Amino acid sequence: DAGVIQSPRHEVTEMGQEVTLRCKPISGHNSLFWYRQTMMRGLELLIYFNNNVPIDDSGMPEDRFSAKMPNASFSTLKIQPSEPRDSAVYFCASSWTAGGEKLFFGSGTQLSVL
Amino acid sequence: AQKITQTQPGMFVQEKEAVTLDCTYDTSDQSYGLFWYKQPSSGEMIFLIYQGSYDEQNATEGRYSLNFQKARKSANLVISASQLGDSAMYFCAMFGENTDKLIFGTGTRLQVFP
Repeated sequence: DAGVIQSPRHEVTEMGQEVTLRCKPISGHNSLFWYRQTMMRGLELLIYFNNNVPIDDSGMPEDRFSAKMPNASFSTLKIQPSEPRDSAVYFCASSWTAGGEKLFFGSGTQLSVL
Repeated sequence: AQKITQTQPGMFVQEKEAVTLDCTYDTSDQSYGLFWYKQPSSGEMIFLIYQGSYDEQNATEGRYSLNFQKARKSANLVISASQLGDSAMYFCAMFGENTDKLIFGTGTRLQVFP
């Protein structure tokens, strides 16, 4: 199994630009999670999906952030417009259960907004 | 509300020695799970060990063991015979039956020296 695949691995962009992060969960997993990691806040859950349906997006910081899961094998996290304070590592994770037990993480996307 | 607390921002241990990383939690759920993840400098999140709240035995996975003290609400990670490759950030996390998501502590940075 290839594991959770995230792309790009690194993204450098200028303030105001749109950023799209991509994630392919492990085949057969029915829950997908987007986390953001910063030095100040640690790991924060942004949003999670169960069977492609967004269940809890209370962690999404602002309307500039949006996430979609059009099918069981693909999800995107979009920031539009991006700001320097969005710089962080964004992790996608998937699991078999709705509760998120034993999450399997992708390698993360290191986002730098200049 | 659920909460995970890791009070040790950094720990040092000599190679081949054992080390304990502290984790306390707070929850009103009767059923919950506790996890430890390792994040090396490369950035990926690696699942290490899981303990269910109803498990009577402490979980063990190779050199990792979880010292689960339910009454004290603690779930400390014990690494025996530390290796240089154990140097990383370690995160304690919890999932509760009413939470639907995995929440993380702030992490402990472990440095293993020769």
